[in-house]
Amino acid sequence: DAMVIQNPRYQVTQFGKPVTLSCSQTLNHNVMYWYQQKSSQAPKLLFHYYDKDFNNEADTPDNFQSRRPNTSFCFLDIRSPGLGDAAMYLCATSRVGDSYYEQYFGPGTRLTVT
Amino acid sequence: AQKITQTQPGMFVQEKEAVTLDCTYDTSDQSYGLFWYKQPSSGEMIFLIYQGSYDEQNATEGRYSLNFQKARKSANLVISASQLGDSAMYFCAMREGRGSARQLTFGSGTQLTVLP
Repeated sequence: DAMVIQNPRYQVTQFGKPVTLSCSQTLNHNVMYWYQQKSSQAPKLLFHYYDKDFNNEADTPDNFQSRRPNTSFCFLDIRSPGLGDAAMYLCATSRVGDSYYEQYFGPGTRLTVT
Repeated sequence: AQKITQTQPGMFVQEKEAVTLDCTYDTSDQSYGLFWYKQPSSGEMIFLIYQGSYDEQNATEGRYSLNFQKARKSANLVISASQLGDSAMYFCAMREGRGSARQLTFGSGTQLTVLP
């Protein structure tokens, strides 16, 4: 089945130790998004790629970076995780040109910072 | 100002009964879309239903229907015949007609608990 896959599902990292979260999709969608969701809060968009064009939200900290080496994969890099970065990270995709731009979400990666 | 407002942090409903989850929105765009997503405790966001701003009829998908009142800027989700598996967080979201990728703005969510 076509889907959005996130690995790992659970990630534990140490304070200040760089960590990378990955997302892949078999939907051939041209847009990929990264959201941060803290406990009991709404998902907050960090950035998105429209094809190779990177779009950063104005309030996304510099600590967060992203890479999209090809259509299928997108990575979220946290250069120096702080305790406040512990959250669920959701990857989503959509296809520009679809009738209503539904976003398809992956299962998320729950990040713990110790 | 909040673009999406969900005023019910938590809701309880008896199994097999219907429940309405409220959502109001704020936009000056003429073209926009409204979405409802379900998020179980596992974390995945599951798309439920969509309503476009130009759609004249309320959207329905199985047990889910969207009560769209454009003049009041509300897009309430109605779940009929609630099931225990409906217990989850529900998010209302809006896609405004700007930008090529048209990202979603989410409300704060409503935690629904279905009681046996």
